[in-house]
Amino acid sequence: QQQVKQSPQSLIVQKGGISIINCAYENTAFDYFPWYQQFPGKGPALLIAIRPDVSEKKEGRFTISFNKSAKQFSLHIMDSQPGDSATYFCAAIDSGSARQLTFGSGTQLTVLP
Amino acid sequence: NAGVTQTPKFQVLKTGQSMTLQCAQDMNHNSMYWYRQDPGMGLRLIYYSASEGTTDKGEVPNGYNVSRLNKREFSLRLESAAPSQTSVYFCASSGWAKTEAFFGQGTRLTVV
Repeated sequence: QQQVKQSPQSLIVQKGGISIINCAYENTAFDYFPWYQQFPGKGPALLIAIRPDVSEKKEGRFTISFNKSAKQFSLHIMDSQPGDSATYFCAAIDSGSARQLTFGSGTQLTVLP
Repeated sequence: NAGVTQTPKFQVLKTGQSMTLQCAQDMNHNSMYWYRQDPGMGLRLIYYSASEGTTDKGEVPNGYNVSRLNKREFSLRLESAAPSQTSVYFCASSGWAKTEAFFGQGTRLTVV
């Protein structure tokens, strides 16, 4: 059972456009929601993260929107660039002592020049 | 600034062979993890170690064993490789807050 559901599986955006990736979760024990970015041949790297007591967090062109009541969160990439082409994973960390990281299935983003 | 180092980067095994994937981190992190990445499945946790001397099963532990050799090193062993274990394997570590995991560059394993 996938605890964090991510969509779409793939996304193609023109340069300068807005990329939007959505995630939903069921486990109310999750208390931290990071997004990871992965380039081909590399390991994932933390991009941006949010806590559930905040509805939005912005870092440069990247924004997380969080809806606690709907148990949904999304990543918005403004002014998308070809260099943003990568696979993006949403994730969630549980509040237990193990604080395990649970990943969504990933979104392959392609930004066309 | 090595971070998390995995060896080897690529490996081809025959069904039934065994091998150990090595991982070392130089960030003095307590927690270390092994994930596998398969298309459309995201990253799934195989085993983790919250501290030196402890290991616990993750979501997909069957067919694998781990050893936390010391604080720096966490190895993953496949005793009898199966084609279903063809995947990209990532080692990761995190500090006391466990809010950010640092990943190695991965090991691409093919079992034929």
